[in-house]
Amino acid sequence: KQEVTQIPAALSVPEGENLVLNCSFTDSAIYNLQWFRQDPGKGLTSLLLIQSSQREQTSGRLNASLDKSSGRSTLYIAASQPGDSATYLCAVPFSNDYKLSFGAGTTVTVRA
Amino acid sequence: DAEITQSPRHKITETGRQVTLACHQTWNHNNMFWYRQDLGHGLRLIHYSYGVHDTNKGEVSDGYSVSRSNTEDLPLTLESAASSQTSVYFCASSYLDEQFFGPGTRLTVL
Repeated sequence: KQEVTQIPAALSVPEGENLVLNCSFTDSAIYNLQWFRQDPGKGLTSLLLIQSSQREQTSGRLNASLDKSSGRSTLYIAASQPGDSATYLCAVPFSNDYKLSFGAGTTVTVRA
Repeated sequence: DAEITQSPRHKITETGRQVTLACHQTWNHNNMFWYRQDLGHGLRLIHYSYGVHDTNKGEVSDGYSVSRSNTEDLPLTLESAASSQTSVYFCASSYLDEQFFGPGTRLTVL
């Protein structure tokens, strides 16, 4: 079974600082990795999907990297804003399948 | 715009009652999933379907069932609700790799 770990569990930064969120997984034979954002009391919003053939994926201020060999992905959020405060989750497929195994998430607070 | 909806958004029920949570998507996605989210456990897969009449058990399927009679809907049924099934339930769908989630249903079993 794929185990997904996110460290740290929580992070508080002042506005403007760059955010670095980490995700590690035990089975490196993944097809892709997906990053989500969850606001309190809301559903999950897909941020980025990285295919196994890619090393990076970018969307606006967000950049996600993937290193399959080391079993790690990193989500960078540049120039953080209070509106970036949320829980960020990473997820990888169970081997050779579409269903996802999730990390517990990193809760980010950006202080104005 | 295509979307995924869940109903009801909030539900309170009593132990032993049968409860059905609805999930409807307008993307025409083949793949649909049900997860539950609990503090300390994160998101866990309950059931999933890869097409009409296809259903499969996830890691926490005991006490739950699903049926898929069309592409758009995957209702989740709690056969006899238990207090341990108090949770937030999320439905998701995907065409290939990227999953999209509904807004969730908060279920309380008293």
